[in-house]
Amino acid sequence: DTGVSQDPRHKITKRGQNVTFRCDPISEHNRLYWYRQTLGQGPEFLTYFQNEAQLEKSRLLSDRFSAERPKGSFSTLEIQRTEQGDSAMYLCASSSTSGPWTGELFFGEGSRLTVL
Amino acid sequence: KQEVTQIPAALSVPEGENLVLNCSFTDSAIYNLQWFRQDPGKGLTSLLLIQSSQREQTSGRLNASLDKSSGRSTLYIAASQPGDSATYLCAVSPALTTDSWGKLQFGAGTQVVVTP
Repeated sequence: DTGVSQDPRHKITKRGQNVTFRCDPISEHNRLYWYRQTLGQGPEFLTYFQNEAQLEKSRLLSDRFSAERPKGSFSTLEIQRTEQGDSAMYLCASSSTSGPWTGELFFGEGSRLTVL
Repeated sequence: KQEVTQIPAALSVPEGENLVLNCSFTDSAIYNLQWFRQDPGKGLTSLLLIQSSQREQTSGRLNASLDKSSGRSTLYIAASQPGDSATYLCAVSPALTTDSWGKLQFGAGTQVVVTP
């Protein structure tokens, strides 16, 4: 297993366009998380899934944001009608609720969004 | 509300010197604490995870301690090398329920530069 992978690594878009990011977690991990990180700050929690169920969404996740994990494997994060304030690094992480690594999050390389 | 603080925000040391990075948190009800490394423009690499019942964890040149009662963790990096230059982030996992484990609360990080 090569870890958590995210695609694309960098996306440049114009204000008002829609963008979608994909995350492939570590295969045996049942939990998947999305975080957002702006320059000079630590990541902030956005939402998470256990298998295919989205269990919690942060107040940071406006109505323009939607996340899915349709088959409990990969996940997508879509941002509609992007705004310049959406420019950030979007990080995906996964974890397991059983086994020796319970509670430890493993992060991907992130998807950097630049909204012009 | 949990607040995580990392001081100093930046640190520069000559190669070979030991590094001491501090992390403080306001709510001692944590499930675990993780230390991460982040290179510029990259994702997070997990360095050490300390469960709430543990006092320290070690991996190679890295040692992390945890004092829940005082709300502090310290990351020690022995005999620093230029390759250790990166931003180091600590994150605490709330202990409220098993559903909250992955909702990490991050500090803003300490940017470390090790000069040859």
